[in-house]
Amino acid sequence: ELKVEQNPLFLSMQEGKNYTIYCNYSTTSDRLYWYRQDPGKSLESLFVLLSNGAVKQEGRLMASLDTKARLSTLHITAAVHDLSATYFCAVDDRNNDMRFGAGTRLTVKP
Amino acid sequence: DSGVTQTPKHLITATGQRVTLRCSPRSGDLSVYWYQQSLDQGLQFLIQYYNGEERAKGNILERFSAQQFPDLHSELNLSSLELGDSALYFCASSNGGAGYGYTFGSGTRLTVV
Repeated sequence: ELKVEQNPLFLSMQEGKNYTIYCNYSTTSDRLYWYRQDPGKSLESLFVLLSNGAVKQEGRLMASLDTKARLSTLHITAAVHDLSATYFCAVDDRNNDMRFGAGTRLTVKP
Repeated sequence: DSGVTQTPKHLITATGQRVTLRCSPRSGDLSVYWYQQSLDQGLQFLIQYYNGEERAKGNILERFSAQQFPDLHSELNLSSLELGDSALYFCASSNGGAGYGYTFGSGTRLTVV
């Protein structure tokens, strides 16, 4: 069974600092997705990573995928308060079945 | 607006009751997925339908059932409700292609009292 592990689960950062969220998964896959969820809201797609070595950037967020290590990272650069949310990674096991990590609750403090 | 429509947005009901949650997928998407999100269990995959047929099953209780209709909308039926069933229920849809992942609806918040 496909397992997806994120760490850390909780992250409190100061504004202006950098940090990385890690997503490990247990089976071969080259389809990795990152989502953002604000409290009580739906999940918003951030990045779709479809090949080994894929790197995508949007604003202060950058996501990468290493399929050999079965690892994706979401790097936050110079955090701002608006980035406070829960971030989920999800892996597609090619059976059209997506499994989500437990989520990383990010709080950015002034 | 993501294009995935879920109704109702909020639902309050008593233990032992039955409710139906509805989802209309994004236009052109054949797959519908249901997820349950609670504070202690995170985002749990319940069930997937593809073009009217059940494709995959996750941690769905026997008290829960779902179906996808010919017009591709889907319903999730929850019966004999318990307090622990209180959660956010999300529907997501996809066209099966890898390029976009899933598109999520805004969810139905179910409160069982």
